[in-house]
Amino acid sequence: SAVISQKPSRDICQRGTSLTIQCQVDSQVTMMFWYRQQPGQSLTLIATANQGSEATYESGFVIDKFPISRPNLTFSTLTVSNMSPEDSSIYLCSVERDNGYGYTFGSGTRLTVV
Amino acid sequence: QQPVQSPQAVILREGEDAVINCSSSKALYSVHWYRQKHGEAPVFLMILLKGGEQKGHDKISASFNEKKQQSSLYLTASQLSYSGTYFCGTESSNQGGKLIFGQGTELSVKP
Repeated sequence: SAVISQKPSRDICQRGTSLTIQCQVDSQVTMMFWYRQQPGQSLTLIATANQGSEATYESGFVIDKFPISRPNLTFSTLTVSNMSPEDSSIYLCSVERDNGYGYTFGSGTRLTVV
Repeated sequence: QQPVQSPQAVILREGEDAVINCSSSKALYSVHWYRQKHGEAPVFLMILLKGGEQKGHDKISASFNEKKQQSSLYLTASQLSYSGTYFCGTESSNQGGKLIFGQGTELSVKP
């Protein structure tokens, strides 16, 4: 199955600053997905990133807060902008598995905003 | 709408069985099951598709009742390695990856 390299694995950031999270996949994929997992909670889809087009955001998430880049078929970034403590979460990227059934997740970025 | 999982938590002794349920208020195209261990990423276990096809883990089984929009994950003869939080993820159409996850079921297997 596709292998995802996600970084950074964790960071502690000051409020008001921005953090960019990177995901690199070892194979070409059409869609990449970005999720947020708040402490002790489930996973919530932030947006879907297709190469060559604007990301599609889910309700409650906006491009100004979570800009996404998808420059090619193996790479994507998610930026968490103007951070507040409420943004403290684990952020994960995900891609479809090679056989087309199910999804593989990156190891996640644990973000703490102070 | 987020699917509802039950129970929220379960504690087992090694070798015991467990069932985790996932129920949706929307018509479903597929149901996924994932296990997440503490501090790790979710790992795919199984997918159940509308029409009866199943793909996934060879030691864990599941069912999908399309009419009731419900799925159940069956963990038999549990092992210590089964401990973790189990999430169901539902797709309401073939939209390519738009999963909505349940709130999770925490499973602890004790020796």
